[in-house]
Amino acid sequence: QSALTQPPSASGSPGQSVTISCTGTSSDVGGYNYVSWYQHHPGKAPKLLIYEVSKRPSGVPDRFSGSKSGNTASLTVSGLQAEDEADYYCTSYAGSNTWVFGGGTKLTVL
Amino acid sequence: QLQLQESGPGLVKPSETLSLTCTVSGGSIRSSSYYWGWIRQPPGKGLEWIGSIYYSGSTYYNPSLKSQVTISVDTSKNQFSLKLSSVTAADTAVYYCARLHGNHYYFDYWGQGTLVTVSS
Repeated sequence: QSALTQPPSASGSPGQSVTISCTGTSSDVGGYNYVSWYQHHPGKAPKLLIYEVSKRPSGVPDRFSGSKSGNTASLTVSGLQAEDEADYYCTSYAGSNTWVFGGGTKLTVL
Repeated sequence: QLQLQESGPGLVKPSETLSLTCTVSGGSIRSSSYYWGWIRQPPGKGLEWIGSIYYSGSTYYNPSLKSQVTISVDTSKNQFSLKLSSVTAADTAVYYCARLHGNHYYFDYWGQGTLVTVSS
């Protein structure tokens, strides 16, 4: 069970869109539609942004969207705002009641 | 509002056992829809799923940590616990407890996290 691969960093200017990728294998991301994304401000509890690839919990702005193609899932943040600056993690169900996380992406709002 | 709170020693010596407890408030740990999990974040690194437990006591562990990990539940106290044996400096991390939705497979409520340092 290897960690999912995310780019270490991403950046964009306010108002722009940024997409963060999350690459796994056919045993996790590609095999199940159970990819979720979390926003993590250091020192705080991670916050659920997206579940089941593209669904948003109530209260999460529609600026956050998710998708998947093959073994790669993606999180897109549209209309970047200063408060979006945080670490973002993907996770996927990996079968047999196990989960695997990505290494995290630090999003900088320029 | 559901809340989770981790508690336990912040410093553990190498080769000893790390023990943490997560207290759930604002909801029952006996809910049939949810599992309860432990996740950690070593300094400067990403999140790592450690394991999960159902209120009945069924446990599921990260294969890479399985030999070290024991997760248990105390429904009378609305708590679940983590024990990590034979720790080394590599086990230094912020440890989070979280609720896992059993049907939709996401972690929706998290504790604030607690830093555990392994050092002599």
